Amino acid sequence: DAGVIQSPRHEVTEMGQEVTLRCKPISGHNSLFWYRQTMMRGLELLIYFNNNVPIDDSGMPEDRFSAKMPNASFSTLKIQPSEPRDSAVYFCASSLQTNHGYTFGSGTRLTVV
Amino acid sequence: SQKIEQNSEALNIQEGKTATLTCNYTNYSPAYLQWYRQDPGRGPVFLLLIRENEKEKRKERLKVTFDTTLKQSLFHITASQPADSATYLCALDVGGNTPLVFGKGTRLSVIA
Repeated sequence: DAGVIQSPRHEVTEMGQEVTLRCKPISGHNSLFWYRQTMMRGLELLIYFNNNVPIDDSGMPEDRFSAKMPNASFSTLKIQPSEPRDSAVYFCASSLQTNHGYTFGSGTRLTVV
Repeated sequence: SQKIEQNSEALNIQEGKTATLTCNYTNYSPAYLQWYRQDPGRGPVFLLLIRENEKEKRKERLKVTFDTTLKQSLFHITASQPADSATYLCALDVGGNTPLVFGKGTRLSVIA
C-alpha cells in the first residue's frame, strides 16, 4: 500500500479564494481524520469520519471549512473563502479503528497571502 | 478538556546516551497512550501504543512507561544515534471511539 496520499503537497493562494485539499486513505481503514498543525497550537483535530460518516466536526474553526467523504477511498477538506490565518500544514490520517495507531499522509502546506 | 504537556520544546543529548522524553496529562485517564515520531516536512509516524493496564512497553531501543497515578508517560531511546533526531509526539486516546489528542511534541537532537 502506498500509504495515505494527500494532494497537493503545497498550495499558495490569495485571500478569498477557495482551497480544496484531497486525501486518499489506506484501503481497509474505516476511520479518517483531518488535523491542522501550526507552531503555536500543534496538531488540532478538525473533523473525523467513521465508515465515511462525519462523526465530530466540532474542531472545524468556522463555516468557511467543510469536509466530505463521498466514498471509502476519498475525502476532501474545503476552505471557502480562505484567509491568511488558515495558513498551516493540514494532515489527513487513517486507521483501522480510532483506538489503533494512525497512519498520516505527508500533509499539505497551505499559505494564504 | 484534556491537557497534554510534553516536558520541553527541545532536548539535546550526546550520541550513545539515553534520551528521556516526558508526557504529562490532566483530567481524564486515557485508555491508551501513543507515541509518534515526526521528521521535518513529513507526517507523524506511529511508534508505540501502551494501554492503561500496561506499565511498560519495549520495541528495539525504545521503551515507554505509563503511570496512571502520576498521569505521566516516559519515552526512552537507549544508545541514541543522530538518526534519532526528530520531534516526538505523545497522543492520548480516552476511549469511547474518540480521536487522539496530541501534545505539541519535543524536538530531540542527538549530537555526534
